[in-house]
Amino acid sequence: GQQVMQIPQYQHVQEGEDFTTYCNSSTTLSNIQWYKQRPGGHPVFLIQLVKSGEVKKQKRLTFQFGEAKKNSSLHITATQTTDVGTYFCAGRDNFNKFYFGSGTKLNVKP
Amino acid sequence: DVKVTQSSRYLVKRTGEKVFLECVQDMDHENMFWYRQDPGLGLRLIYFSYDVKMKEKGDIPEGYSVSREKKERFSLILESASTNQTSMYLCASSLLEGAYGYTFGSGTRLTVV
Repeated sequence: GQQVMQIPQYQHVQEGEDFTTYCNSSTTLSNIQWYKQRPGGHPVFLIQLVKSGEVKKQKRLTFQFGEAKKNSSLHITATQTTDVGTYFCAGRDNFNKFYFGSGTKLNVKP
Repeated sequence: DVKVTQSSRYLVKRTGEKVFLECVQDMDHENMFWYRQDPGLGLRLIYFSYDVKMKEKGDIPEGYSVSREKKERFSLILESASTNQTSMYLCASSLLEGAYGYTFGSGTRLTVV
């Protein structure tokens, strides 16, 4: 069945280093969304990508959707301690169903 | 501020009990969802609803049922709670096309003893 795989599962970085998490789908997605969940909190919607090859930026965060619409990435430049949390992707298939990745837990050491 | 409100933050129930988890949204969203979140397994969809009195099974519906009698309220029911249903339960809602993402509630951490 449809799966959205997300790697890595964990990432520990020093404050100021960059961070990237990747999502890969077994089938073509109609769109992909990204969420952030702070420790003890709930997932919060960050962004949606729809078009093949789309790139969107939110301050230090850069989101990409692959040309084949099967993969996506979230890159954080110069991490800060406020970036700590788990980042989830969620891909929507052509039957309108969302599949969440298992998340990447980011820890930032000051 | 738009909200999805879950009735309890923490809940402890005994094995075999019938458990009701309530979720209310004030955004007039058509879609509502119930997920459970477990370490290493991410978010798994239990049930969802696109309209009042409408429900569809997600990926792990066994042992659960749902009720949506009003647009703003979506209830998750554990018919006979078991210890393997100990988890964090998250309710979410979205507009029909989901273009603005899901809005999640704060979650209910259920422990079944």
